[in-house]
Amino acid sequence: DAMVIQNPRYQVTQFGKPVTLSCSQTLNHNVMYWYQQKSSQAPKLLFHYYDKDFNNEADTPDNFQSRRPNTSFCFLDIRSPGLGDAAMYLCATSRDFGGFNQPQHFGDGTRLSIL
Amino acid sequence: DAKTTQPPSMDCAEGRAANLPCNHSTISGNEYVYWYRQIHSQGPQYIIHGLKNNETNEMASLIITEDRKSSTLILPHATLRDTAVYYCISRYSGGGADGLTFGKGTHLIIQP
Repeated sequence: DAMVIQNPRYQVTQFGKPVTLSCSQTLNHNVMYWYQQKSSQAPKLLFHYYDKDFNNEADTPDNFQSRRPNTSFCFLDIRSPGLGDAAMYLCATSRDFGGFNQPQHFGDGTRLSIL
Repeated sequence: DAKTTQPPSMDCAEGRAANLPCNHSTISGNEYVYWYRQIHSQGPQYIIHGLKNNETNEMASLIITEDRKSSTLILPHATLRDTAVYYCISRYSGGGADGLTFGKGTHLIIQP
């Protein structure tokens, strides 16, 4: 089945050590999103790519970066993780065309722990 | 996007209909009402959306009041697997790629 895949499901890194989370999709959607979900909170949008155009949310810390080398893949880079960055990171995709944006499809997330 | 208000939690007996309310009194004419749910340790899952007409799909029904200030998501025959946090979100869908603004949602617990 076409889907949004996030690997790994669980990631552990050390305080201050750069980490990269990955997301791939087989839906051929032109929009890809990254959300952060802290414990017992709702998901919060960090940024999204519309095709190759990067769109950052105003309150997303500079510590968070993203890359989209092609339609299928998108990466979330955390340059110097702090303890407050421990969270579930969710990737989502959607198709935007002809003045209409379809519902988003989510992966099952990567749970990031900081030691 | 308009702010939505949902009860923090609800219980429902297995096999009964689960009716989840949502208030969106400031919704604008071009904003849709979307429902997603998030089962524990999974990503959010799209359920249904509508503008002003009632909608039904294989998962649920969406009833929107005539003034569009509130809506109800109906799961017709709830099962234990429907236990999840349900999010009601208002969103413009006429093009563009703005992300979703999640509120606190309703934690629906299906009781055996």
